Amino acid sequence: DIQMTQSPASLSASLGETVTIECRASEDIYNGLAWYQQKPGKSPQLLIYNANSLHTGVPSRFSGSGSGTQYSLKINSLQSEDVASYFCQQYYDYPFTFGSGTKLEIK
Amino acid sequence: EVQLVESGGGLVQPGRSLKLSCAASGFTFSNYYMAWVRQAPKKGLEWVATISTSGSRTYYPDSVKGRFTISRDNAKSSLYLQMNSLKSEDTATYYCARHPLGAGYNWFAYWGQGTLVTVSS
Repeated sequence: DIQMTQSPASLSASLGETVTIECRASEDIYNGLAWYQQKPGKSPQLLIYNANSLHTGVPSRFSGSGSGTQYSLKINSLQSEDVASYFCQQYYDYPFTFGSGTKLEIK
Repeated sequence: EVQLVESGGGLVQPGRSLKLSCAASGFTFSNYYMAWVRQAPKKGLEWVATISTSGSRTYYPDSVKGRFTISRDNAKSSLYLQMNSLKSEDTATYYCARHPLGAGYNWFAYWGQGTLVTVSS
């Protein structure tokens, strides 16, 4: 199975700041990576697919990048509504696997 | 608007069975691969199963293979998860999720609100 190592586990930042969350795969996943946002008490929502494609309706302050085994999610101009947990997922190979998540709080 | 509404969760004893359902609306259900993803309390996400558009192909991780069965009824726009020989580690919120259009696109584009399954004596 492909292991997804996500960092940091938690993150505190100020409104308007830019934050970056990293995800490392145990082998090359050829951009088969998605990012999800899960707000407290809610179901996950897709943000990014194919490592850098923005899902419909997702604000442009969210962006994804990376290749090979290293990927990142960047949030520009942090807003209060961005308080959530963020998960990466590889879908290059079965079984699909997720990172352990990053909990983002406002400082 | 895509809507996925899960039902069937509850408290069940270890070793027993439970069947979850997901009612889909707002899109042509038969055109999409569908999936179940679970989340143990205060934990991360785990993919549980995926089914092809016709139901002829199903995929599972080793953790549930042989115990869980995903199925669908395209006429009813419904997805199911039959869970047998349940274990305490199966305790989780189970989400119904829709893959994007087409085979091989394996991210989860839309999610339901989830149904909680608790396995305990």
